Amino acid sequence: DIVMTQTPLSSPVTLGQPASISCRSSQSLVHSDGNTSLSWLQQRPGQPPRLLIYKVSNRFSGVPDRFSGSGAGTDFTLKISRVEAEDVGVYYCMQATQFPVCTFGQGTKLEIK
Amino acid sequence: QLQLQESGPGLVKPSETLSLTCTVSGGSISSSSYYWGWIRQPPGKGLEWIGSIYYSGTTYYNPSLKSRVTISVDTSKNQFSLKLGSVTAADTAVYYCVAMGDYWGQGTLVTVSS
Repeated sequence: DIVMTQTPLSSPVTLGQPASISCRSSQSLVHSDGNTSLSWLQQRPGQPPRLLIYKVSNRFSGVPDRFSGSGAGTDFTLKISRVEAEDVGVYYCMQATQFPVCTFGQGTKLEIK
Repeated sequence: QLQLQESGPGLVKPSETLSLTCTVSGGSISSSSYYWGWIRQPPGKGLEWIGSIYYSGTTYYNPSLKSRVTISVDTSKNQFSLKLGSVTAADTAVYYCVAMGDYWGQGTLVTVSS
């Protein structure tokens, strides 16, 4: 099984400042077709998760451009350029290299200082 | 835009079978664009993939749950379903139906208790 490890598990951030979350996989997420199935999800309090980023760096429909994803192989990062109050919640990375089988990181709680 | 809605009992007794249905609107479940799946989240915890199904009926299950899980699809009703047998308190969770990774239902809390 591919294990996903996120750091930090909690991230206090000042409004308007940047935030960064890392995700590391126990093995390469590069598929034989060359694609890398690494996604980022946001779960606001009391809400279901929603897709933010797919295939490492592609923003899903309606996602603000202050969210960006990067990385390759086993190391990936989600960045928020300027944190807004509505960004509070838990962020998960998700791998689906053996799609539709998928596994998730433990989650990173983003909160405002 | 796809919308998914879970339905089913919110309380299940230990050792019985949990049954949930997901109704898809805004698109056809027979679309080749999606795998349909179930993901759960115990209270205060992270996400666990349960299994997925393609409209053709091909299924994929989490190995840790495989012996207890059945996922099926009803294309005539634009629905897919989850059955989880021999439930225990550890199966208490919010259950989400998903269009694999892209779209999520609102989730439904299922509590296992006598």
